[in-house]
Parts: sequence; structure tokens; C-alpha cells
Amino acid sequence: EDQVTQSPEALRLQEGESSSLNCSYTVSGLRGLFWYRQDPGKGPEFLFTLYSAGEEKEKERLKATLTKKESFLHITAPKPEDSATYLCADLSGGYNKLIFGAGTRLAVHP
Amino acid sequence: GAVVSQHPSRVICKSGTSVKIECRSLDFQATTMFWYRQFPKQSLMLMATSNEGSKATYEQGVEKDKFLINHASLTLSTLTVTSAHPEDSSFYICSAPRLSHSYNEQFFGPGTRLTVL
Repeated sequence: EDQVTQSPEALRLQEGESSSLNCSYTVSGLRGLFWYRQDPGKGPEFLFTLYSAGEEKEKERLKATLTKKESFLHITAPKPEDSATYLCADLSGGYNKLIFGAGTRLAVHP
Repeated sequence: GAVVSQHPSRVICKSGTSVKIECRSLDFQATTMFWYRQFPKQSLMLMATSNEGSKATYEQGVEKDKFLINHASLTLSTLTVTSAHPEDSSFYICSAPRLSHSYNEQFFGPGTRLTVL
């Protein structure tokens, strides 16, 4: 059964302190690895999709990378407004079903 | 701007009543939409796949007679929680994939907070 595991569960950073979030997956034949940001009481906001090992995508202070077994979301010089829960998910089975990890709750303090 | 909308954003109802939640794709057609449920401080759990023109596909453990799904058009799916009970209180979120260059992006609605008294 496909499984997506995120670590750490929670992360507290000082403003400007760079770090990385991890997402490991067990699905064979990955058809897409997605990263989302979710603020409290809101739906997930799409960040990136990665399709093949070695692929990298960037958006402002975020960079997502993908290997054959895991993906990393690197946050460079984070700001308090980057505080949110970051979710990763992979495409599983047919018809674009997303299987989500439990998420990483990121808090960035000034 | 938002590409998937949901209505209502929050609803409070009495136990035993039914509640309908709408999910719309705003600038693209979606033959498939997905419904998720999220409990506090937990991740999204897929409930069902809504298919335009055919029956919805439900995940294991989700009661299809309790959570009625109708994919009325290429831009609208509805989830009806029938005979709601307090344990159905949750955050319900829909999503729709938008194809782009043979791959897809999945966009989520803003969610509907259901509280059953």
C-alpha cells in the first residue's frame, strides 16, 4: 500500500534560519509528488509538482527536490509569514487520487 | 485567484438534518473531483472520487448512503451529508485536477467547516 511519511511533525525556526522538510514515499512508479501549503481553516494551496528523480523547482524562498525515495522542501531564510502546515502527497492509483502525508507544522518566529 | 470554490464556507446544523456542500471549478472543466475530510490537526483523508456522468467511487470505510455525491456538470460537484450527527463535524475540502501539458495540477477549494449540534 502506498504510504507517504513526513518529518518532522513540527518545526520551530527563527526568522532567517534555513531548514528542510522531508517527505518519503513508498509508492512504486511515482506519477507525481505534490507539495502544498495549508493555513489554519483554509484549503491547501498548491506549491509544486515533481515528476522525476533529480527534478527541482523553486518559488520565492522555497525549493522542492525529488529523489527516488523522498522529496525535500528547502526553506531559505524563512519569514514569519512562511508559518503554515506543509503537506506532501503522491499520485496513487488511477484517476489522480492524492495520498497525503500527515504534514509538517512550521512556525517561524521573529 | 481561486480556481476552485466551495459553498458554504461554514455551516451549523442540528443533528438529523442534511447539509449540501457545493464545489465548483471556476475556469476549467473537471470530469473528476475529489472530496476530503480533515479533522483538527490531522491531514486530509480522501473520502470519495466524484465522476461526471457516473457514480462516485468511495474510499474504504466511507458510507456512500450517508455522503451522497452528485457530479452535476463539468464544473460542479456536490456532497450531501445526510442525517448529520455530531461526529460528522469536520472540515470538508474538495479538489479538482487541471490538466496541463499531459500532467496535472490539483487545486483545492477553501473548505467548508461543518458543525453538527
